Amino acid sequence: GIQVEQSPPDLILQEGANSTLRCNFSDSVNNLQWFHQNPWGQLINLFYIPSGTKQNGRLSATTVATERYSLLYISSSQTTDSGVYFCAGAQGGSEKLVFGKGTKLTVNP
Amino acid sequence: GAVVSQHPSWVICKSGTSVKIECRSLDFQATTMFWYRQFPKQSLMLMATSNEGSKATYEQGVEKDKFLINHASLTLSTLTVTSAHPEDSSFYICSARAGRAGGPSRHVGELFFGEGSRLTVL
Repeated sequence: GIQVEQSPPDLILQEGANSTLRCNFSDSVNNLQWFHQNPWGQLINLFYIPSGTKQNGRLSATTVATERYSLLYISSSQTTDSGVYFCAGAQGGSEKLVFGKGTKLTVNP
Repeated sequence: GAVVSQHPSWVICKSGTSVKIECRSLDFQATTMFWYRQFPKQSLMLMATSNEGSKATYEQGVEKDKFLINHASLTLSTLTVTSAHPEDSSFYICSARAGRAGGPSRHVGELFFGEGSRLTVL
């Protein structure tokens, strides 16, 4: 199966700073999603982005499918952005999402 | 987005007992649901794929007799942890795949997750 690598594993920011999280895949994917896991454990869908660029408020994501990576941008970070960000992908013909190990983001006031 | 609900949110049980966790898709039908397990500070690991009307398919290393999965309807899948032991303590989370697009917040093939169920076995 595919391998999903996320970087950095940990990130500490001051409120207001911008950040970029990266996700690399060992093989091409037909489904790619970004999630934010809140302190209670719930996974919040951020983006469904197998290719291209999307934006939602202060968050945006870009997937370059041909080079097998995706980036999540967080601008003007807020303390409520703290948590773990996961990317996950599924190979062609499979519905099974494989998760990376996550990036733990801490935004300090 | 779609709504997937899990119950209970947390459960504490004695070793040797069985625990059932329910996963419901509230506003869409799901022929396929997935069960994941997450240990503290680790990633999510797929346990099994739940198929409506047929047997679940389990990932390598997951005991199917320990983790019983039933997908009796298009909106409900259940995971039963049988004869639970302390090493089964974990965060269990289900997901369902949207079969139809529903505006900008729901894409065909997009997975939505329940709130998770935290199991503690004493």
